[in-house]
Amino acid sequence: SQQGEEDPQALSIQEGENATMNCSYKTSINNLQWYRQNSGRGLVHLILIRSNEREKHSGRLRVTLDTSKKSSSLLITASRAADTASYFCATDNYGNKLVFGAGTILRVKS
Amino acid sequence: DAMVIQNPRYQVTQFGKPVTLSCSQTLNHNVMYWYQQKSSQAPKLLFHYYDKDFNNEADTPDNFQSRRPNTSFCFLDIRSPGLGDAAMYLCATTYYGEAGETQYFGPGTRLLVL
Repeated sequence: SQQGEEDPQALSIQEGENATMNCSYKTSINNLQWYRQNSGRGLVHLILIRSNEREKHSGRLRVTLDTSKKSSSLLITASRAADTASYFCATDNYGNKLVFGAGTILRVKS
Repeated sequence: DAMVIQNPRYQVTQFGKPVTLSCSQTLNHNVMYWYQQKSSQAPKLLFHYYDKDFNNEADTPDNFQSRRPNTSFCFLDIRSPGLGDAAMYLCATTYYGEAGETQYFGPGTRLLVL
């Protein structure tokens, strides 16, 4: 079964609003990563958070990790139409490979 | 500058006709991955190479094979494509051992099976 499960499956917001996506996983991890995928394109790495970190920022992105709850969240602040994409969390389980969640489809309306 | 290149971007093949997808990288990464992604689903790992060591996922069909003749290139061979193999195929690389271990993805090849 997939390691990561994400919610919501889809999110529609107005430009300028914040978007929050959540990811849950099942086993211990080395790190958790978030990726973005524009329609019909490859995935682009956004941010990586290690198992001993609790929060990380990158521009308008903020990621939190709670290893006790096996969950992570991605916050995009002041969203833009260009943020419209699918967002995937992926866990690195010390095995040389990532396991992806089902993704959240974000639509930012201008 | 493109770092992970996939060719072709779109591939049309006939049911049962072998097809090869290619991936190349300019990053000198030691690990290369092939994923299958169907519409509105997560990428599913098919196999990966750690240097020359091939690692097949347990649920990857025998119909899918891979070759990595050198560090820069990796190929995905589908021996007898079925209609269910129509999908986006993504190649990714990473340098295992670095602190980041981010995966770098190519733009993907969309396969259509007629």
